[in-house]
Amino acid sequence: QKEVEQNSGPLSVPEGAIASLNCTYSDRGSQSFFWYRQYSGKSPELIMSIYSNGDKEDGRFTAQLNKASQYVSLLIRDSQPSDSATYLCAIYYRGSYIPTFGRGTSLIVHP
Amino acid sequence: NAGVTQTPKFQVLKTGQSMTLQCAQDMNHNSMYWYRQDPGMGLRLIYYSASEGTTDKGEVPNGYNVSRLNKREFSLRLESAAPSQTSVYFCASSEAVGTGYQPQHFGDGTRLSIL
Repeated sequence: QKEVEQNSGPLSVPEGAIASLNCTYSDRGSQSFFWYRQYSGKSPELIMSIYSNGDKEDGRFTAQLNKASQYVSLLIRDSQPSDSATYLCAIYYRGSYIPTFGRGTSLIVHP
Repeated sequence: NAGVTQTPKFQVLKTGQSMTLQCAQDMNHNSMYWYRQDPGMGLRLIYYSASEGTTDKGEVPNGYNVSRLNKREFSLRLESAAPSQTSVYFCASSEAVGTGYQPQHFGDGTRLSIL
């Protein structure tokens, strides 16, 4: 069964620190990788997408993909209390119309 | 540009009542999805429509039906609501580009309580 694993957390970091969120998956043929942020009571919103090995940076966010080791990470630099949310990893496995979501990691950034 | 619009935002039903959740997208996406989200369970796919005219069951389809009315609209129907269907329901849409899929765009959700 194709799965996406995330540590449920909560991951607690102080304001200004780097938050590191990780996601592992089971199929090396996976092609599209996404990170969503979901605030409590709100819908998931896309924050990063990555399609090839390596790092992709967007402002304070960096997505890292390592297909050989089958993991994708999200780094949040200079974490702010407003980054406190649940972060969902989503992956399209090869040949599938349907993304597989992890259950999410809860991030708490404390002042 | 509204993206994905869901109606209603909140609804309370009695056991056995029926209702339809509406979803419309204005991004010209081919694929649309219905999820439910319960505490500690993550997003669970109920039904999806890969393209206009097709629908398929997801992980938790029992007790639900869907209609892909046209390319823009994808509705979810509860024929006889049960307390176990109390949840937050999200509609999403996405598009395939080349060999990979683009990310899903989500509506704001419908919070449904069944008494």
